[in-house]
Amino acid sequence: AQSVTQLGSHVSVSEGALVLLRCNYSSSVPPYLFWYVQYPNQGLQLLLKYTTGATLVKGINGFEAEFKKSETSFHLTKPSAHMSDAAEYFCAVNEGPNSGYALNFGKGTSLLVTP
Amino acid sequence: DVKVTQSSRYLVKRTGEKVFLECVQDMDHENMFWYRQDPGLGLRLIYFSYDVKMKEKGDIPEGYSVSREKKERFSLILESASTNQTSMYLCASSLALGLGVHNEQFFGPGTRLTVL
Repeated sequence: AQSVTQLGSHVSVSEGALVLLRCNYSSSVPPYLFWYVQYPNQGLQLLLKYTTGATLVKGINGFEAEFKKSETSFHLTKPSAHMSDAAEYFCAVNEGPNSGYALNFGKGTSLLVTP
Repeated sequence: DVKVTQSSRYLVKRTGEKVFLECVQDMDHENMFWYRQDPGLGLRLIYFSYDVKMKEKGDIPEGYSVSREKKERFSLILESASTNQTSMYLCASSLALGLGVHNEQFFGPGTRLTVL
């Protein structure tokens, strides 16, 4: 079974600083990988996804992530944090056909941005 | 714009009540999912459906059932609500594979259910 590990349940950065949210996965097949963001009292919104091809993926709001097969990682970065980036972030991996292609989510990382 | 709607944002029920959570999508998606979200546990899959009248158990189906009578609607049912079912419930939908997409799921805004 595939699984996702997000290192750090809480990350705090200063406004303007680099954002780095870590995600490692385990998968026996080439994965489809996703990052979602959840603002308070809202559903999840897709930030970006990796399927095939270019390993550096750009998403919305200035975020990007790099798929590193050798490290089984898909870390999310943003060069300069903004106050509006404060939210919960979830990494997810495709579960494959036996689960109807459901997504297996990590436990989430809460990003706090300080002035 | 793609849309997944859930019938209630907030719901308060009493222990033992039968609870219905409704989800509707307007994107003609084949797949629909119900998750529950709890602090520190992330999202956990309760049930999913890949076609009308089809349903499959997810990771935590106990105490829940589902119904999918129409393609656009997927209902989650708590047969006899208990306090440990107090949670945020999220519905999602996606296209079937093979249609040029890669299982991106679209989420509704969630229903925060409190069982007293």
